[in-house]
Amino acid sequence: DVQVVESGGALVKPGGSLRLSCEVSGFTFSNAWMSWVRQPPGKGPEWVGRIKSKSVGETLEYAAPVKGRFTISRDDSKNTLYLQMDSLNTEDTGVYYCTTDSVVVFNGGAFDVWGQGTMVTVSS
Amino acid sequence: DILMTQSPDSLAVSLGERATINCKSSQSVLYSGNSKNYFGWYQQKPGQPPKLLIYWASNREPGVPDRFSGSGSGTDFTLTISSLQAEDVAVYYCQQYYSIPWTFGQGTKVEIK
Repeated sequence: DVQVVESGGALVKPGGSLRLSCEVSGFTFSNAWMSWVRQPPGKGPEWVGRIKSKSVGETLEYAAPVKGRFTISRDDSKNTLYLQMDSLNTEDTGVYYCTTDSVVVFNGGAFDVWGQGTMVTVSS
Repeated sequence: DILMTQSPDSLAVSLGERATINCKSSQSVLYSGNSKNYFGWYQQKPGQPPKLLIYWASNREPGVPDRFSGSGSGTDFTLTISSLQAEDVAVYYCQQYYSIPWTFGQGTKVEIK
């Protein structure tokens, strides 16, 4: 069975840092292009960023609101994805999901596997 | 960035009746190289992550009931629930994965009338 489990969410003060983890099983993590998607309370999902597989150079891409503050990385030996979040502000509050595409069927990039998410609250 | 705009924001439909949700993208998400629309629909229930229902605009994800169907091309898309069931109460989101940053619509809340 495919499993995706995020962890590391917490309450943090503005300006603080946090590292999220996402451990996966049930598919070949090393081949997967992994994304983080966040969802502020009561709002729609927002793509945060993506890391491609090592075979294509682990290329990184980020959404504008987090570029320069957030860093995505991966450890294929541990089947784990990370999100390092620095200089956090209140607009970063939300549930953070780890996700990827084309696990169930090849779909060209739609997210067909999601974790349950981990809550990040930025507040003083 | 490609802006995704859904309509309506919410709708109430009687059990067994049809529900229709629209999504418009600010630019085409149809890739001419393979004639595929890089567009999907998701369902989200409270406390759960989004669940992919439809990819490439009209392909149902395995296990998704056939009362869900997607249509449209280019910039205008529709999700239809042919016969609303109680378990379909949720928020539905459209998403484009044609160009980064991937973007989602604001959501449409479907309720029972």
